[in-house]
Amino acid sequence: AQSVTQPDIHITVSEGASLELRCNYSYGATPYLFWYVQSPGQGLQLLLKYFSGDTLVQGIKGFEAEFKRSQSSFNLRKPSVHWSDAAEYFCAVVFSSGTYKYIFGTGTRLKVLA
Amino acid sequence: DAGVTQSPTHLIKTRGQQVTLRCSPKSGHDTVSWYQQALGQGPQFIFQYYEEEERQRGNFPDRFSGHQFPNYSSELNVNALLLGDSALYLCASSLMNEQFFGPGTRLTVL
Repeated sequence: AQSVTQPDIHITVSEGASLELRCNYSYGATPYLFWYVQSPGQGLQLLLKYFSGDTLVQGIKGFEAEFKRSQSSFNLRKPSVHWSDAAEYFCAVVFSSGTYKYIFGTGTRLKVLA
Repeated sequence: DAGVTQSPTHLIKTRGQQVTLRCSPKSGHDTVSWYQQALGQGPQFIFQYYEEEERQRGNFPDRFSGHQFPNYSSELNVNALLLGDSALYLCASSLMNEQFFGPGTRLTVL
């Protein structure tokens, strides 16, 4: 079955520290991959996306993600976290081109310590 | 260019009632998808509309139905509401393989 796993439910980091949020997906073919951020009571904001090409993609707010086909992973990174980055982060995958059906992970809640 | 808009923002209903949520897609987008996000969970795909037809459906009962109008706007209808239907309902419109999400409608069922 097609699935997306975010192994870390909660992550706490200090402001200024680096961050990595993990995302793994099932399925053999290369899917389309996304990371979204959601602040409390808000909708989803797209941070970055991967369709093809360079496996290291840059997004907004200083985030980047790397697609690793061999590991079926698409981990999100940020070199220095700001207090405003505290939010919930969702990895999403489109397994079949043209379907627009997103499969979301369960999310990782990020807490930033001052 | 206005993004995806949804109405209402919040809604409170009682068990057994029916509810209709509305969504207007981004300009130029012809595909609308609906998602249910329960508290503490990731969004779950309900269904998708394209050219006024339901194109795909997730694992949701028939109590969940929808409609797409000629101007591509869409409605989500839920009949016989259950307590478990309380959630944030997100609408997304699509261009190619990228979806743009609205702010959602928070439905509370008492």
